[in-house]
Amino acid sequence: AQKVTQAQTEISVVEKEDVTLDCVYETRDTTYYLFWYKQPPSGELVFLIRRNSFDEQNEISGRYSWNFQKSTSSFNFTITASQVVDSAVYFCALFPVGAQKLVFGQGTRLTINP
Amino acid sequence: SAVISQKPSRDICQRGTSLTIQCQVDSQVTMMFWYRQQPGQSLTLIATANQGSEATYESGFVIDKFPISRPNLTFSTLTVSNMSPEDSSIYLCSAPGQLNTEAFFGQGTRLTVV
Repeated sequence: AQKVTQAQTEISVVEKEDVTLDCVYETRDTTYYLFWYKQPPSGELVFLIRRNSFDEQNEISGRYSWNFQKSTSSFNFTITASQVVDSAVYFCALFPVGAQKLVFGQGTRLTINP
Repeated sequence: SAVISQKPSRDICQRGTSLTIQCQVDSQVTMMFWYRQQPGQSLTLIATANQGSEATYESGFVIDKFPISRPNLTFSTLTVSNMSPEDSSIYLCSAPGQLNTEAFFGQGTRLTVV
């Protein structure tokens, strides 16, 4: 079965705090891709990152960083020095190549308070 | 990355009527996807639309309720038929990126049925 679990339904922090969003996935495919998307209140889905199953290198993009660990089937997302504009719902998604479709987690609503 | 234009961005419709949502991609793609996001929920795949063939529907979604057209490689429509308040959701279309391993989304259609 293909499944993505985002255990944190809602997170609220004060601006400038660091925050980590957890993502755990399940798949039997050996080749798959993992994604993070941001959905601001306007509703569109903004692509943040893609990582394939053979590349466990962590990635940093500005204040954003991602930690991919195959051993624990996790793909966590950290925002450093959070800002109010980071407030949104964040979705982790799995794309097993064999299934050819995206499987989304339930999303984490992140609120950054000034 | 693919640029996807979706319209309308929002609509308020009377129950029993139908609404057709349009999705235009700036490049030719084999597959396009339609998702529904009910209030406060994650994204659920409705169907996969392939050019030149019938759409493939996921469990729980039927063609009579959600007919899809795919007349060419850059365009698709989703119709929400005989609407009820339970159809109030955000509907999003999606297309893969160049390597067919990432998904880009339109800005979504926020539908309210009254």
